[in-house]
Amino acid sequence: GAVVSQHPSRVICKSGTSVKIECRSLDFQATTMFWYRQFPKQSLMLMATSNEGSKATYEQGVEKDKFLINHASLTLSTLTVTSAHPEDSSFYICSANGGTGELFFGEGSRLTVL
Amino acid sequence: GENVEQHPSTLSVQEGDSAVIKCTYSDSASNYFPWYKQELGKRPQLIIDIRSNVGEKKDQRIAVTLNKTAKHFSLHITETQPEDSAVYFCAASLSGGGADGLTFGKGTHLIIQP
Repeated sequence: GAVVSQHPSRVICKSGTSVKIECRSLDFQATTMFWYRQFPKQSLMLMATSNEGSKATYEQGVEKDKFLINHASLTLSTLTVTSAHPEDSSFYICSANGGTGELFFGEGSRLTVL
Repeated sequence: GENVEQHPSTLSVQEGDSAVIKCTYSDSASNYFPWYKQELGKRPQLIIDIRSNVGEKKDQRIAVTLNKTAKHFSLHITETQPEDSAVYFCAASLSGGGADGLTFGKGTHLIIQP
């Protein structure tokens, strides 16, 4: 199947700093990628849809100025958590459509804000 | 928007027995229903999916059934094995998993007792 790679897998930062997470489709082009957030022992919550060459579409309740999404190429989307706070600590996962309708997920990035 | 309910939240079965997880969805326009298996700290892995033009799909020990009228779908795992222990998520999508992100159920923690 298609491969989606996410980096970094783990990141620890101080409160008030910004963190960037990258999501890459390695063997296919993805005009659309999705960013999810998962708290411990909970489900995946869709945060936003990343669209190549245009603005991301955010789900209700997700602050677009807090979670900056850039989809500058057909193989790369980035999520930047700005001015991170401890409540932003979570598991962030991206996904992309591999062209067959199936969504492939990245490995996930565990963010810990101290 | 779409709302997906999943039951039970925890399911414990004896090794070799069958396990059934049930989901309901709210939007009759949804047409793609995948099931994901997620091990602790790892990415969700697609195990089986079904589209609205099909009532049942089977892949070895795993099967999924869909009742469009009642808007519910179920995952059936037969002859359960210890490696089946994980969290399972159902999901629904309006556009076949392509253009839209998935709406996930809350997950079922499946425990296989030896």
